Amino acid sequence: EAGVTQFPSHSVIEKGQTVTLRCDPISGHDNLYWYRRVMGKEIKFLLHFVKESKQDESGMPNNRFLAERTGGTYSTLKVQPAELEDSGVYFCASSPRQATYEQYFGPGTRLTVT
Amino acid sequence: AQSVTQPDIHITVSEGASLELRCNYSYGATPYLFWYVQSPGQGLQLLLKYFSGDTLVQGIKGFEAEFKRSQSSFNLRKPSVHWSDAAEYFCAVGSYNAGNNRKLIWGLGTSLAVNP
Repeated sequence: EAGVTQFPSHSVIEKGQTVTLRCDPISGHDNLYWYRRVMGKEIKFLLHFVKESKQDESGMPNNRFLAERTGGTYSTLKVQPAELEDSGVYFCASSPRQATYEQYFGPGTRLTVT
Repeated sequence: AQSVTQPDIHITVSEGASLELRCNYSYGATPYLFWYVQSPGQGLQLLLKYFSGDTLVQGIKGFEAEFKRSQSSFNLRKPSVHWSDAAEYFCAVGSYNAGNNRKLIWGLGTSLAVNP
């Protein structure tokens, strides 16, 4: 069974540009999460999808971040325009419908904004 | 507010030595507790979890953790460390609110180095 995959693994962009991160969850997992770790800080929750619906987006930093999950499969997280403080590692996780806390993580996307 | 504290940012142990990584949490209800490990270039892997029952839980790779409610702790232990255990370890607590929204709240992580 394939695990959670994320693309790209690294991205370096300039301030003001747009970047789109992609996450492919484990097949059949209804729950999909995005987390972010800024250097020197703890991993923080960004948002939670149940299928294609946003269950909880309380962790999204501001309206420069837009997450989608079309058809309840893969998800994208777009940052537009990117700022320096957006640099960090973005993790995606998925879990089965009835096991919300059994979260399986992808390798993360390291985003550097210069 | 819910929080997780990992007091040790970096620990170095010798191969074969015992290991204990500390984790303290602040959470109003009965916590769901987790330890994850991230090896270089890898994603976060679940080592073990505590939901209820026996307070000593066994995980993968020979790790165990003990939930102590009186101390609000969930320390991770391993009796004999292997060089391949060098990684970053994260403690997390499962949080849910009145809207039944669930997420993980994380500690800062402990980076483990293993000397040969």
